[in-house]
Amino acid sequence: EAGVAQSPRYKIIEKRQSVAFWCNPISGHATLYWYQQILGQGPKLLIQFQNNGVVDDSQLPKDRFSAERLKGVDSTLKIQPAKLEDSAVYLCASSFTGEGTDTQYFGPGTRLTVL
Amino acid sequence: AQSVSQHNHHVILSEAASLELGCNYSYGGTVNLFWYVQYPGQHLQLLLKYFSGDPLVKGIKGFEAEFIKSKFSFNLRKPSVQWSDTAEYFCAVNADNYGQNFVFGPGTRLSVLP
Repeated sequence: EAGVAQSPRYKIIEKRQSVAFWCNPISGHATLYWYQQILGQGPKLLIQFQNNGVVDDSQLPKDRFSAERLKGVDSTLKIQPAKLEDSAVYLCASSFTGEGTDTQYFGPGTRLTVL
Repeated sequence: AQSVSQHNHHVILSEAASLELGCNYSYGGTVNLFWYVQYPGQHLQLLLKYFSGDPLVKGIKGFEAEFIKSKFSFNLRKPSVQWSDTAEYFCAVNADNYGQNFVFGPGTRLSVLP
């Protein structure tokens, strides 16, 4: 079975620029997650989709971050404008049902460097 | 809000040594508990999980973890580590059966010397 796909793998931008990340979950998985992982820390959940609806975006900095999951399949996470502190790995994960006991499957991540 | 702590930032062991990585969480209700592992150059992947039943859970590659509710702990163990166990280990907690509020610990880096 194909895993979670993410692109690009690496991105370098200057502060105040915008950037977008793409994620394609495992086929049939209803739930999609975006995490931010700052160096030396564990992943922090930014937003969780159930099909094409948002179920949790409480930790998403909505003044600069946005995400969408049109048609309930792939998803895009955007940062506009970027700040230095946004430098991190952005991880996408998916799970079959989204229930609390469900296993999440992670993609390779996008490493963002903001200069 | 729940939080997850992991006792050690970096653990260095020799092959065949026993391993125990600590994990504590702050939520007092029903929880689902996970250990994820990230091998060098690879994706995060599930090692094991607990949500009900026997508090001693067995996972892949000989790992096991014990849920001790009274101590709010979910420590990871392996009786004899191998060089290939070198990785970063993350404990994670979900206190909502609908899967929201999934919180990871800061991670423990394990280095196994050959």
